Amino acid sequence: SQTIHQWPATLVQPVGSPLSLECTVEGTSNPNLYWYRQAAGRGLQLLFYSVGIGQISSEVPQNLSASRPQDRQFILSSKKLLLSDSGFYLCAWSRFGTSGTSYEQYFGPGTRLTVT
Amino acid sequence: AQSVAQPEDQVNVAEGNPLTVKCTYSVSGNPYLFWYVQYPNRGLQFLLKYITGDNLVKGSYGFEAEFNKSQTSFHLKKPSALVSDSALYFCAVRDGGFQKLVFGTGTRLLVSP
Repeated sequence: SQTIHQWPATLVQPVGSPLSLECTVEGTSNPNLYWYRQAAGRGLQLLFYSVGIGQISSEVPQNLSASRPQDRQFILSSKKLLLSDSGFYLCAWSRFGTSGTSYEQYFGPGTRLTVT
Repeated sequence: AQSVAQPEDQVNVAEGNPLTVKCTYSVSGNPYLFWYVQYPNRGLQFLLKYITGDNLVKGSYGFEAEFNKSQTSFHLKKPSALVSDSALYFCAVRDGGFQKLVFGTGTRLLVSP
């Protein structure tokens, strides 16, 4: 079966410090990978998605970046955190599919980031 | 662009009663619709999806959803609510060819004993 891991679970960082959040998936190959941010326990905002190693699409311009150095590893980074970067960050994966298919996404446990 | 709307911020229901969480959609082309549940400080869990076929879709934990094309709705239902069903529920629609999803704003379900 497939498993998705995120770490750390919680993080408190000062404004201006760097950020690195990691997500790994087990039990599948060539997944689509996604980073979301959830603010105030409500709506999800898609930040980045990736359909393969080194292939990153950004949905929202901001001071965050993403990388996919390995097939099942997805990293979210920032060089300098802002207060507005606080939130609950969720990684998800889905099977790779064409436009004629539709696969559900499976989410990791999330990382709670507080920027102080 | 594809979108979904969840008109209710919160739904209150007594344990044992049927529950409905509403979702309406706006899409160009065929709708691919999903329901997810989120417990506090957890990731989202997939409940069910509609791709094509029967309008009544059955999912996890006794939940089902009814697809209605004429009303552009995809309401989540359960015949008998449990206190443990209390959580945040999200409706979502596929957007584009890379399995991207657009989520609604969420509906908080509170089931009282």
